[in-house]
Amino acid sequence: DTAVSQTPKYLVTQMGNDKSIKCEQNLGHDTMYWYKQDSKKFLKIMFSYNNKELIINETVPNRFSPKSPDKAHLNLHINSLELGDSAVYFCASSSGTRRYEQYFGPGTRLTVT
Amino acid sequence: DQQVKQNSPSLSVQEGRISILNCDYTNSMFDYFLWYKKYPAEGPTFLISISSIKDKNEDGRFTVFLNKSAKHLSLHIVPSQPGDSAVYFCAASPTPNTPLVFGKGTRLSVIA
Repeated sequence: DTAVSQTPKYLVTQMGNDKSIKCEQNLGHDTMYWYKQDSKKFLKIMFSYNNKELIINETVPNRFSPKSPDKAHLNLHINSLELGDSAVYFCASSSGTRRYEQYFGPGTRLTVT
Repeated sequence: DQQVKQNSPSLSVQEGRISILNCDYTNSMFDYFLWYKKYPAEGPTFLISISSIKDKNEDGRFTVFLNKSAKHLSLHIVPSQPGDSAVYFCAASPTPNTPLVFGKGTRLSVIA
């Protein structure tokens, strides 16, 4: 009964490939996020969806495309993977009434070789 | 441009003593501040928050202090326990609909 789950936990792939990371939350939250934690350990917002609609899209290459089939899911698809995409990607969710308090998934460690 | 800075990458404290983690910010528009705790191979977990209208918020062993004039906040953990050993992230945001800006984190080690 994990609150925010992500799959896969680890992903190793070669440059140029396309991959997806899936995220699901069972908290009934209306807002979901994708964060990237790079090698310098900074956690940076990439995207935010509220009720399946994109509300935040930070400066992210358009090779990254989020998709929210419903309020409980937010997937991240990455095209033409590059070495610099290697990072840990975290999904998170929050409720409209307490949007600051975000619940994070365990992260997906992506390694591009 | 780091808007949220945690200048101490690590901190070691003896069990039972006070842990003080510090965070500085540069954006005067930040209105809400949070601390998250992260264990290895897990996502960050929300710990405690404070809004700019307060200067202190307490939750059990955890207290966050905010000094707006100095653009500084701190997290106090008293008494520290070995289970508190984790990376602590400070985060801030100007509005509920604006992304959280995180610091780089401080690794706390509580030694038994």
